[in-house]
Amino acid sequence: AQKITQTQPGMFVQEKEAVTLDCTYDTSDQSYGLFWYKQPSSGEMIFLIYQGSYDEQNATEGRYSLNFQKARKSANLVISASQLGDSAMYFCAMIPPDYIPTFGRGTSLIVHP
Amino acid sequence: EPEVTQTPSHQVTQMGQEVILRCVPISNHLYFYWYRQILGQKVEFLVSFYNNEISEKSEIFDDQFSVERPDGSNFTLKIRSTKLEDSAMYFCASSEQGARTDTQYFGPGTRLTVL
Repeated sequence: AQKITQTQPGMFVQEKEAVTLDCTYDTSDQSYGLFWYKQPSSGEMIFLIYQGSYDEQNATEGRYSLNFQKARKSANLVISASQLGDSAMYFCAMIPPDYIPTFGRGTSLIVHP
Repeated sequence: EPEVTQTPSHQVTQMGQEVILRCVPISNHLYFYWYRQILGQKVEFLVSFYNNEISEKSEIFDDQFSVERPDGSNFTLKIRSTKLEDSAMYFCASSEQGARTDTQYFGPGTRLTVL
């Protein structure tokens, strides 16, 4: 069974600073997709960034980047220049070859002014 | 920008009643999904749907659940006889294709409360 681990239940960061949210995964598959979603207090799930297991370059989307270390099975999300609106829950997810997505338990990020 | 929509935003029902949660996926997407998030917990996959058939389902998706695409735009999740533990946020999602590389776009969710 696939497993996603987000070890940080809560993180605090000062506005304009960078923050790294950890995600490790457990799979024996070679082909999979990794995703990060943001869930603000309003409840919706917002797609942030995607990394394919065969992608050699780390994914970037604006202020979001993914520090992908395949050998260590980690896919950490880096948010640069944090903004107050970044305060939310962040979920790491993986889609393995059987196409059944697995989500981590999430990290609550609070950005302080 | 196209988005996934869900109705109602909040549904309250009595235990044992049937509920139908509705979703309108993004129009050119071919794959549809339902997820559940019990309050304070992680998002759990329920089912994926393609070409009018279930393509994958999780252990949670038992005989009490069913999905349907009754017309060209709606995608529904039916819970036949609700239980207290069905109380959760239910998210619909859609993707253009069903590949594991394909981004799933989520709707705003329906909060189901079973009394």
